[in-house]
Amino acid sequence: EDKVVQSPLSLVVHEGDTVTLNCSYEVTNFRSLLWYKQEKKAPTFLFMLTSSGIEKKSGRLSSILDKKELFSILNITATQTGDSAVYLCACHAGGTSYGKLTFGQGTILTVHP
Amino acid sequence: KAGVTQTPRYLIKTRGQQVTLSCSPISGHRSVSWYQQTPGQGLQFLFEYFSETQRNKGNFPGRFSGRQFSNSRSEMNVSTLELGDSALYLCASRGTGAYEQYFGPGTRLTVT
Repeated sequence: EDKVVQSPLSLVVHEGDTVTLNCSYEVTNFRSLLWYKQEKKAPTFLFMLTSSGIEKKSGRLSSILDKKELFSILNITATQTGDSAVYLCACHAGGTSYGKLTFGQGTILTVHP
Repeated sequence: KAGVTQTPRYLIKTRGQQVTLSCSPISGHRSVSWYQQTPGQGLQFLFEYFSETQRNKGNFPGRFSGRQFSNSRSEMNVSTLELGDSALYLCASRGTGAYEQYFGPGTRLTVT
Protein backbone atom coordinates (compact mmCIF):
# COMPACT_ATOMS: atom_id res chain seq x y z
CA GLU A 1 0.00 0.00 0.00
CA ASP A 2 1.27 3.46 -0.92
CA LYS A 3 2.47 5.54 2.01
CA VAL A 4 3.36 9.21 2.51
CA VAL A 5 4.84 10.37 5.81
CA GLN A 6 5.41 13.97 6.84
CA SER A 7 7.55 15.37 9.62
CA PRO A 8 7.38 17.13 11.92
CA LEU A 9 3.64 16.86 12.61
CA SER A 10 3.65 20.31 14.12
CA LEU A 11 6.03 23.23 14.31
CA VAL A 12 5.90 26.54 16.16
CA VAL A 13 8.21 29.34 15.06
CA HIS A 14 8.49 33.12 15.23
CA GLU A 15 8.17 35.52 12.33
CA GLY A 16 11.37 35.72 10.36
CA ASP A 17 12.45 32.14 11.08
CA THR A 18 13.18 29.66 8.28
CA VAL A 19 11.43 26.30 8.37
CA THR A 20 11.96 22.99 6.58
CA LEU A 21 9.12 20.54 6.21
CA ASN A 22 9.81 16.94 5.26
CA CYS A 23 7.92 14.40 3.22
CA SER A 24 8.98 10.81 2.56
CA TYR A 25 7.11 8.38 0.38
CA GLU A 26 6.78 4.77 -0.64
CA VAL A 27 4.62 4.82 -3.74
CA THR A 28 4.47 2.16 -6.40
CA ASN A 29 4.84 3.58 -9.89
CA PHE A 30 5.54 7.07 -8.56
CA ARG A 31 4.89 9.93 -10.97
CA SER A 32 4.84 13.20 -9.03
CA LEU A 33 4.83 14.79 -5.60
CA LEU A 34 2.65 17.78 -4.78
CA TRP A 35 2.61 20.27 -1.91
CA TYR A 36 -0.55 21.97 -0.73
CA LYS A 37 -1.29 24.62 1.90
CA GLN A 38 -4.54 24.27 3.83
CA GLU A 39 -5.72 27.13 6.01
CA LYS A 40 -9.38 26.88 6.88
CA LYS A 41 -10.90 24.89 4.08
CA ALA A 42 -9.66 24.04 0.60
CA PRO A 43 -6.06 22.91 0.14
CA THR A 44 -4.37 25.32 -2.25
CA PHE A 45 -1.79 24.05 -4.69
CA LEU A 46 1.81 25.13 -4.12
CA PHE A 47 4.18 22.97 -6.14
CA MET A 48 4.38 19.85 -8.22
CA LEU A 49 7.69 18.01 -8.51
CA THR A 50 8.45 15.26 -10.95
CA SER A 51 12.22 15.37 -11.43
CA SER A 52 14.98 14.93 -8.86
CA GLY A 53 17.19 17.83 -7.93
CA ILE A 54 15.27 20.58 -9.65
CA GLU A 55 14.20 23.24 -7.18
CA LYS A 56 10.83 24.88 -7.58
CA LYS A 57 10.50 28.37 -6.12
CA SER A 58 7.65 30.75 -5.48
CA GLY A 59 8.54 33.80 -3.45
CA ARG A 60 9.73 32.69 -0.02
CA LEU A 61 8.73 29.06 -0.65
CA SER A 62 10.88 26.48 -2.37
CA SER A 63 10.80 22.73 -2.74
CA ILE A 64 12.97 19.95 -4.06
CA LEU A 65 12.55 16.24 -4.72
CA ASP A 66 15.01 13.38 -4.25
CA LYS A 67 13.73 10.35 -6.13
CA LYS A 68 16.65 8.18 -5.07
CA GLU A 69 16.06 8.71 -1.36
CA LEU A 70 12.27 9.05 -1.82
CA PHE A 71 11.71 12.34 -0.08
CA SER A 72 10.97 15.99 -0.62
CA ILE A 73 11.44 19.12 1.45
CA LEU A 74 9.49 22.35 1.51
CA ASN A 75 11.40 25.40 2.72
CA ILE A 76 9.82 28.63 3.87
CA THR A 77 12.17 31.53 4.53
CA ALA A 78 11.40 34.70 6.51
CA THR A 79 8.15 33.22 7.79
CA GLN A 80 5.14 35.45 8.34
CA THR A 81 2.00 34.91 10.42
CA GLY A 82 0.12 34.35 7.16
CA ASP A 83 2.18 31.21 6.61
CA SER A 84 0.39 29.56 9.55
CA ALA A 85 -1.45 26.61 8.02
CA VAL A 86 -1.36 22.87 7.52
CA TYR A 87 1.07 21.87 4.79
CA LEU A 88 0.15 18.71 2.97
CA CYS A 89 2.33 16.50 0.84
CA ALA A 90 0.72 14.15 -1.68
CA CYS A 91 1.92 11.69 -4.29
CA HIS A 92 0.46 10.72 -7.61
CA ALA A 93 1.15 7.29 -9.07
CA GLY A 94 0.85 6.12 -12.62
CA GLY A 95 -0.83 3.03 -13.94
CA THR A 96 -4.47 2.75 -12.94
CA SER A 97 -4.24 5.30 -10.11
CA TYR A 98 -6.29 7.80 -12.07
CA GLY A 99 -7.00 10.96 -10.16
CA LYS A 100 -5.84 9.50 -6.85
CA LEU A 101 -3.53 11.47 -4.62
CA THR A 102 -2.13 9.76 -1.54
CA PHE A 103 -1.69 12.33 1.23
CA GLY A 104 0.56 12.53 4.24
CA GLN A 105 -0.81 13.50 7.66
CA GLY A 106 0.20 17.11 7.21
CA THR A 107 2.48 19.45 9.15
CA ILE A 108 0.76 22.10 11.26
CA LEU A 109 2.87 25.25 11.10
CA THR A 110 2.19 28.05 13.56
CA VAL A 111 4.06 31.33 13.13
CA HIS A 112 3.95 33.71 16.10
CA PRO A 113 4.47 37.46 15.64
CA LYS B 1 -11.22 31.29 -14.44
CA ALA B 2 -13.66 30.36 -11.72
CA GLY B 3 -12.43 27.79 -9.25
CA VAL B 4 -13.98 24.54 -8.11
CA THR B 5 -17.32 25.06 -6.40
CA GLN B 6 -19.11 22.76 -3.99
CA THR B 7 -22.62 22.85 -2.60
CA PRO B 8 -23.87 22.86 0.01
CA ARG B 9 -21.10 24.15 2.23
CA TYR B 10 -22.58 22.76 5.44
CA LEU B 11 -24.98 19.92 6.14
CA ILE B 12 -26.40 18.37 9.27
CA LYS B 13 -28.03 14.97 8.87
CA THR B 14 -29.30 12.22 11.13
CA ARG B 15 -28.00 8.66 11.21
CA GLY B 16 -29.68 6.50 8.62
CA GLN B 17 -30.44 9.35 6.23
CA GLN B 18 -28.78 9.83 2.89
CA VAL B 19 -27.04 12.88 1.46
CA THR B 20 -26.01 14.19 -1.95
CA LEU B 21 -23.12 16.60 -2.41
CA SER B 22 -22.37 18.50 -5.59
CA CYS B 23 -19.14 19.64 -7.23
CA SER B 24 -18.58 21.83 -10.28
CA PRO B 25 -15.02 21.62 -11.65
CA ILE B 26 -12.93 24.34 -13.20
CA SER B 27 -14.15 25.08 -16.69
CA GLY B 28 -12.52 22.71 -19.16
CA HIS B 29 -11.52 20.15 -16.52
CA ARG B 30 -13.04 16.74 -17.12
CA SER B 31 -11.59 14.88 -14.15
CA VAL B 32 -13.19 15.16 -10.70
CA SER B 33 -11.85 13.39 -7.62
CA TRP B 34 -13.53 13.20 -4.24
CA TYR B 35 -11.81 13.01 -0.85
CA GLN B 36 -12.91 12.62 2.74
CA GLN B 37 -10.96 14.56 5.36
CA THR B 38 -11.18 13.69 9.07
CA PRO B 39 -8.88 14.59 11.97
CA GLY B 40 -7.99 10.95 12.54
CA GLN B 41 -7.49 9.69 8.98
CA GLY B 42 -6.50 12.84 7.14
CA LEU B 43 -7.35 13.15 3.45
CA GLN B 44 -8.51 9.89 1.91
CA PHE B 45 -9.39 9.28 -1.72
CA LEU B 46 -12.97 8.24 -2.44
CA PHE B 47 -13.21 8.03 -6.23
CA GLU B 48 -12.43 9.75 -9.50
CA TYR B 49 -14.65 10.43 -12.48
CA PHE B 50 -13.60 11.31 -15.99
CA SER B 51 -15.98 11.84 -18.89
CA GLU B 52 -18.90 10.42 -16.88
CA THR B 53 -17.00 7.21 -16.02
CA GLN B 54 -15.67 6.16 -12.63
CA ARG B 55 -12.06 5.27 -13.26
CA ASN B 56 -10.78 4.70 -9.76
CA LYS B 57 -12.21 3.99 -6.34
CA GLY B 58 -10.75 4.13 -2.85
CA ASN B 59 -11.36 1.79 0.07
CA PHE B 60 -14.77 2.98 1.14
CA PRO B 61 -17.96 0.95 1.55
CA GLY B 62 -20.58 0.78 -1.15
CA ARG B 63 -22.68 3.35 0.72
CA PHE B 64 -20.44 5.93 -0.93
CA SER B 65 -21.24 6.42 -4.59
CA GLY B 66 -20.94 9.09 -7.19
CA ARG B 67 -21.66 10.10 -10.72
CA GLN B 68 -20.60 12.65 -13.27
CA PHE B 69 -22.71 14.48 -15.80
CA SER B 70 -21.93 15.45 -19.38
CA ASN B 71 -20.98 18.99 -18.26
CA SER B 72 -18.38 17.43 -15.89
CA ARG B 73 -20.30 18.37 -12.77
CA SER B 74 -20.17 15.56 -10.24
CA GLU B 75 -22.29 14.41 -7.36
CA MET B 76 -21.43 12.21 -4.44
CA ASN B 77 -24.03 10.27 -2.50
CA VAL B 78 -23.76 8.67 0.91
CA SER B 79 -26.59 6.40 1.96
CA THR B 80 -27.49 5.13 5.41
CA LEU B 81 -25.35 7.72 7.15
CA GLU B 82 -23.26 6.74 10.15
CA LEU B 83 -21.75 8.96 12.84
CA GLY B 84 -18.31 8.18 11.42
CA ASP B 85 -19.25 9.77 8.11
CA SER B 86 -18.97 13.20 9.73
CA ALA B 87 -16.16 14.84 7.80
CA LEU B 88 -15.12 17.52 5.35
CA TYR B 89 -15.78 16.25 1.84
CA LEU B 90 -13.54 17.82 -0.76
CA CYS B 91 -13.66 17.55 -4.48
CA ALA B 92 -10.83 18.41 -6.80
CA SER B 93 -10.57 18.85 -10.55
CA ARG B 94 -7.65 18.56 -12.93
CA GLY B 95 -7.03 19.12 -16.58
CA THR B 96 -6.51 16.25 -19.01
CA GLY B 97 -2.98 14.88 -18.73
CA ALA B 98 -2.17 17.04 -15.69
CA TYR B 99 -1.27 15.74 -12.24
CA GLU B 100 -2.05 18.78 -10.13
CA GLN B 101 -5.52 18.88 -8.64
CA TYR B 102 -7.39 22.00 -7.60
CA PHE B 103 -9.67 21.72 -4.64
CA GLY B 104 -13.04 23.19 -3.87
CA PRO B 105 -13.94 24.69 -0.47
CA GLY B 106 -15.50 21.45 0.72
CA THR B 107 -18.79 20.41 2.27
CA ARG B 108 -18.77 20.00 6.03
CA LEU B 109 -21.10 17.08 6.85
CA THR B 110 -22.17 16.48 10.42
CA VAL B 111 -24.10 13.31 11.23
CA THR B 112 -25.98 13.28 14.54
